[in-house]
Amino acid sequence: GAGVSQSPSNKVTEKGKDVELRCDPISGHTALYWYRQSLGQGLEFLIYFQGNSAPDKSGLPSDRFSAERTGGSVSTLTIQRTQQEDSAVYLCASSPSVGTIYEQYFGPGTRLTVT
Amino acid sequence: AQSVTQLDSQVPVFEEAPVELRCNYSSSVSVYLFWYVQYPNQGLQLLLKYLSGSTLVKGINGFEAEFNKSQTSFHLRKPSVHISDTAEYFCAVSNQAGTALIFGKGTTLSVSS
Repeated sequence: GAGVSQSPSNKVTEKGKDVELRCDPISGHTALYWYRQSLGQGLEFLIYFQGNSAPDKSGLPSDRFSAERTGGSVSTLTIQRTQQEDSAVYLCASSPSVGTIYEQYFGPGTRLTVT
Repeated sequence: AQSVTQLDSQVPVFEEAPVELRCNYSSSVSVYLFWYVQYPNQGLQLLLKYLSGSTLVKGINGFEAEFNKSQTSFHLRKPSVHISDTAEYFCAVSNQAGTALIFGKGTTLSVSS
């Protein structure tokens, strides 16, 4: 299909390790969003990309979290020195362009478990 | 800053009964409002959205919601629920910049026979 895809679907890592989560947005979508869904905090916004730039990083919880986007397409969310509280489902979404958050489509998510 | 309050964390109902899931938001500016559904072990699916115009919005699977600006509410309703409607429902509002959705904590709808 032509939806948002994320990989891996599940990731188990040991505390202290770094992890990379990948998002492939819908082809042609220039806006990309990362969210986190955890039992304690619910659904939280992390970061927004327009093209390759990230004008809104206000939701990143700490400097251990970073994200990049290359070629205006694929995005990678990196968590360094993972902690148990990072365990969550990480969701990616995309929309056609700036100002089209009402046309946001979500991917299936990556379930991260930190042991 | 915008915020969303879903007034009920759990709503149990019997099959074919009507249901209302309540959502209140706070915002000093015009925003977009959304309801999403998440079935067990699945991703988020958009049920409906309010952008402007008619305050009664119809969505998929027989759901509808009414935007009430004076009460800052966006309650979700269905006249007759099915077992298959059992899921987690999230109300959301766009932030002022249009760069993020702010979600409520969710309401678990449990439909039994």
